[in-house]
Amino acid sequence: KNQVEQSPQSLIILEGKNCTLQCNYTVSPFSNLRWYKQDTGRGPVSLTIMTFSENTKSNGRYTATLDADTKQSSLHITASQLSDSASYICVVSSYSGNTPLVFGKGTRLSVIA
Amino acid sequence: ETGVTQTPRHLVMGMTNKKSLKCEQHLGHNAMYWYKQSAKKPLELMFVYNFKEQTENNSVPSRFSPECPNSSHLFLHLHTLQPEDSALYLCASSREGVSSYNEQFFGPGTRLTVL
Repeated sequence: KNQVEQSPQSLIILEGKNCTLQCNYTVSPFSNLRWYKQDTGRGPVSLTIMTFSENTKSNGRYTATLDADTKQSSLHITASQLSDSASYICVVSSYSGNTPLVFGKGTRLSVIA
Repeated sequence: ETGVTQTPRHLVMGMTNKKSLKCEQHLGHNAMYWYKQSAKKPLELMFVYNFKEQTENNSVPSRFSPECPNSSHLFLHLHTLQPEDSALYLCASSREGVSSYNEQFFGPGTRLTVL
């Protein structure tokens, strides 16, 4: 069964600190993996997309990694800011099926001063 | 106005009411989606429309009825809902179809509470 598991479920960090969010998946065949940021009261917004051949991709202070062999991805946030407080959702796409997107439950990040 | 908009942003309704959610996209996309987002659960895809034709209905109860009059507008008609239907309903759009490569752009959602 295609699944996406994210950890931790929630995380609280101090402003300025770094953090790493994890995503493990069993989706097959794999097409790509996206990280979305969802602010409270808003819809998800794409941060990065990674395909099978990509190991690392950055978007400002956000760096995503992908290990297609172990089926793991991480999202590293550097020098966190209060505005980073949000839910981060990992979404894995498959080539097959009519609904190729598999969503994780998300990690709720709170950055405090 | 740009992006994907949804109205209303908040809705409280009784189980016997009939209401509709509206979504509009200003991105020139051809595919539109309805998702349900409940606390501590992954987003659940409900309906997909591609070029105004419904291509996906993920076993959604008939008390949810979608309507897509054109590629820019999507409605979700609600009637005789249950309290467990309370959730955030998200609309999204993408360039076309349910392709693994097409990024989906989400609206802000409608927070629905069923009493």
